[in-house]
Amino acid sequence: GAGVSQSPRYKVAKRGQDVALRCDPISGHVSLFWYQQALGQGPEFLTYFQNEAQLDKSGLPSDRFFAERPEGSVSTLKIQRTQQEDSAVYLCASSPLQGPTGELFFGEGSRLTVL
Amino acid sequence: AQTVTQSQPEMSVQEAETVTLSCTYDTSESDYYLFWYKQPPSRQMILVIRQEAYKQQNATENRFSVNFQKAAKSFSLKISDSQLGDAAMYFCAYRSGGGYALNFGKGTSLLVTP
Repeated sequence: GAGVSQSPRYKVAKRGQDVALRCDPISGHVSLFWYQQALGQGPEFLTYFQNEAQLDKSGLPSDRFFAERPEGSVSTLKIQRTQQEDSAVYLCASSPLQGPTGELFFGEGSRLTVL
Repeated sequence: AQTVTQSQPEMSVQEAETVTLSCTYDTSESDYYLFWYKQPPSRQMILVIRQEAYKQQNATENRFSVNFQKAAKSFSLKISDSQLGDAAMYFCAYRSGGGYALNFGKGTSLLVTP
């Protein structure tokens, strides 16, 4: 596709369930970022991939959060044993350049609601 | 840690008028970048404008321009000739020169009235 695609767009989970959120970046984009945006807040950085290498995971809030990009294209953000505070929109962004210098192209996000 | 403050939760402007959105930031670094992003209701963030801290000249992109006051750590966005399509959340963001993460403010909701 022409843009960054995220799925599912909406996910409702019961507390304690595991969820997986998918990001399809723009074809050929080297860099991939995940952000978490709580209601009424700005996005907060979670993690960064350069190709398949996870170079920065300093923003992951706990060990329940795990991200991967095994072939350097599609990425999955997994949240184990979801809690209510995990409710947020999860944004994926990709960039054609290595590192943070390129313009970021964002997807529309996956809205997670934990009941 | 760097913080970004947007003190205006909401702003309103009439079509064709000019509006300025405020942003201040706190940092001890000399190498950094500043950004304004637009987030329409569909939630897809779009880059509006960026400014490198080492550049003294204010960035301009068509109707969008910034007033970068490095000493005051201020980075405001001016939108000229406002259009209905400018209505959105606007986020100011900071990135360290050596870092990957964007640090966003809480955003300003811009309403454009006919």
